[in-house]
Amino acid sequence: GEDVEQSLFLSVREGDSSVINCTYTDSSSTYLYWYKQEPGAGLQLLTYIFSNMDMKQDQRLTVLLNKKDKHLSLRIADTQTGDSAIYFCAEKRGRLTGGGNKLTFGTGTQLKVEL
Amino acid sequence: NAGVTQTPKFRVLKTGQSMTLLCAQDMNHEYMYWYRQDPGMGLRLIHYSVGEGTTAKGEVPDGYNVSRLKKQNFLLGLESAAPSQTSVYFCASLKMASFDGTVLGEQYFGPGTRLTVT
Repeated sequence: GEDVEQSLFLSVREGDSSVINCTYTDSSSTYLYWYKQEPGAGLQLLTYIFSNMDMKQDQRLTVLLNKKDKHLSLRIADTQTGDSAIYFCAEKRGRLTGGGNKLTFGTGTQLKVEL
Repeated sequence: NAGVTQTPKFRVLKTGQSMTLLCAQDMNHEYMYWYRQDPGMGLRLIHYSVGEGTTAKGEVPDGYNVSRLKKQNFLLGLESAAPSQTSVYFCASLKMASFDGTVLGEQYFGPGTRLTVT
């Protein structure tokens, strides 16, 4: 995951918005994902965005993609204590299919929501 | 569906011992993956399989072997464990689905196996 970088830690107050950032280096990435990992569990897909999109909104989640700067962000509106988890961005490089459909994951951002 | 399951959940090995981690999925997925997760390094791909009887190397394959004799199972073996292999290991399988005419892959993860090598 060294080519996909995230800040390690973010702390917000309950009810505020959280913004988790990710930078990647491969301009051939076709789509990008956000996964959530709760303590002691595996990763779960939260949302994704195709490389030809700038923004995607899904309820409290907003994903912004800046292809020029290779920057991806996840905004969580009205953050709740249940949102406390590690958030990973991941990129799918190359063709839409084939190549084993491998993902390159970021280092993960630990989100802590305080009361 | 049980989804993706992993056994065991925890294991402690001594240096030089061997073990096999089992991943099973009941979703009829073709693609399966083994990752390791280490603090500050995210998930790194060890090996993967695009179908029964096939395997391929990922980013960090050294010290590991895999087998995919049955579609639903993907085994990860450590022949001679080393302390550097202390990690949390995740298995995943891939579902391909069509979204607005574009095929999208979603990886489903197991709960992980925490391995400590002393």
